[in-house]
Amino acid sequence: QVQLVQSGGEVKKPGASVKVSCKTSGYNFKSYSISWVRQAPGQGLEWMGWISTYNGDTNYAQNLQGRVTMTTDTSTSKVYMELRNLRSDDTAVYYCARDLGSYCTSSSCYPIGYYFDYWGQGTLVTVSS
Amino acid sequence: QSALTQPASVSGSPGQSITISCTGTSSDVGNYNYVSWYQHHPGKAPKLMIYEVSNRPSGISNRFSGSKSGNTASLTISGLQAEDEADYYCSSYTGSSVSYVFGTGTKVTVL
Repeated sequence: QVQLVQSGGEVKKPGASVKVSCKTSGYNFKSYSISWVRQAPGQGLEWMGWISTYNGDTNYAQNLQGRVTMTTDTSTSKVYMELRNLRSDDTAVYYCARDLGSYCTSSSCYPIGYYFDYWGQGTLVTVSS
Repeated sequence: QSALTQPASVSGSPGQSITISCTGTSSDVGNYNYVSWYQHHPGKAPKLMIYEVSNRPSGISNRFSGSKSGNTASLTISGLQAEDEADYYCSSYTGSSVSYVFGTGTKVTVL
C-alpha cells in the first residue's frame, strides 16, 4: 500500500535550518511528484512547493522563495524539504503529500489531476530561542 | 496568491446537510476544474474527500459531494454524522507549472 513516512520532530533556534524527510513506498517513486504543505498552530494549510521525483524540477511558493529547497534521493525513495533562516512563524507541522500534478512514465510527464491523494503523518518543527 | 475564502465554521445536527463554500478568483477556482477538498482531524494527516470539483476517491462516502459555480466551489455533507466533525479545506490549482492555493479552512461541528 502507498505510504509516506516522515522524519521526527525537530526543535531549532531562529536563524537555523531544518531538513525534513519523507520516505515513500508502495508505488513507483519516480512516477509521482511530491508537494509539501505546512500548518502553523491555529492556522490553515499552506502549500509550500512541489518537486518532480522524475527530474527534480521544482516550483516553490513565492513567500518561501530563497529559503526553501526540495530534493529527492531516488536510491532511498526519499524526498527532502530544507528550510533555512528559520523564524518563529515557521513553527508548524510540515506534511509531504503525493501530488498528481505530474505523472511520469519513461517517455513523458503529464498531469493526472491537481490534488494530493496520500499524505505523510506530519513533522512538527518548533522554532524557539 | 491569497488563500481561498471559506466560512470559519459550519454546524449541523446529525442527519442534516451542510454546505461549505470556497471562494476564489478567476485565476484559480474560476479558471480550472481542479478544486479538491480535504478533511483534517487534529493530529492526523489530511484526507482527500473530493477531487476535480465533484469526484470522490474510492472509499469516500457518497454523503460527500462537490460542485462549482463561477469562482465559488462547494462541499456538501449530507446525513451529517458525528465522525464528520473536523476541519475541511478546499484547494485549487493556480496554473503556472504545478502550484496550488488552499482555503482558509472550515471547522464543522456536529451538534
